[in-house]
Amino acid sequence: DQQVKQNSPSLSVQEGRISILNCDYTNSMFDYFLWYKKYPAEGPTFLISISSIKDKNEDGRFTVFLNKSAKHLSLHIVPSQPGDSAVYFCAASEANFGNEKLTFGTGTRLTIIP
Amino acid sequence: DSGVTQTPKHLITATGQRVTLRCSPRSGDLSVYWYQQSLDQGLQFLIQYYNGEERAKGNILERFSAQQFPDLHSELNLSSLELGDSALYFCASSVYLLGDTQYFGPGTRLTVL
Repeated sequence: DQQVKQNSPSLSVQEGRISILNCDYTNSMFDYFLWYKKYPAEGPTFLISISSIKDKNEDGRFTVFLNKSAKHLSLHIVPSQPGDSAVYFCAASEANFGNEKLTFGTGTRLTIIP
Repeated sequence: DSGVTQTPKHLITATGQRVTLRCSPRSGDLSVYWYQQSLDQGLQFLIQYYNGEERAKGNILERFSAQQFPDLHSELNLSSLELGDSALYFCASSVYLLGDTQYFGPGTRLTVL
């Protein structure tokens, strides 16, 4: 049962344009969401997070939007740069003691075209 | 650099063998998590320790075990290895528990031949 889904395995975007990566979840107990970026042969690198009490969080070129009613979140990267090419993972956790583990989506490979 | 270190970076061994993967969390982090990334699956949670005590278990096989030591480093022990255990094993750490960001190490790539 895939509780966190990233339905687009890959995405190509022109340099300078906006990249939008999407993520859907099914577990209504999730209340903390994160995006990680991963290069081959490296560990996931934390990008940005959002708590369920918010609907938007911004950090530089990265903005995460959360739509709780639709159980959907998205990561916007603007402007996209060649160094953004990587696999992006959406992850979620619950606010219950003993359930702090992260549940990951399967990832979206983002390619920025120069 | 996340501040989480893992050793070794690569490990090649044979079926039936036992290996130990090591993780040092970021300074000050009390919670350590282990994840497995196989080719055909995403990152899967294995087990969590908090300040030396086991806190949560995921789909961890009985052949696998872990512990967290007083200095907060953690070890993941994999025994009776099978070909299907070949994967990337990541350790992550966080300061607190609820709603806290987990920072990942570079991983250990295990190859079972």
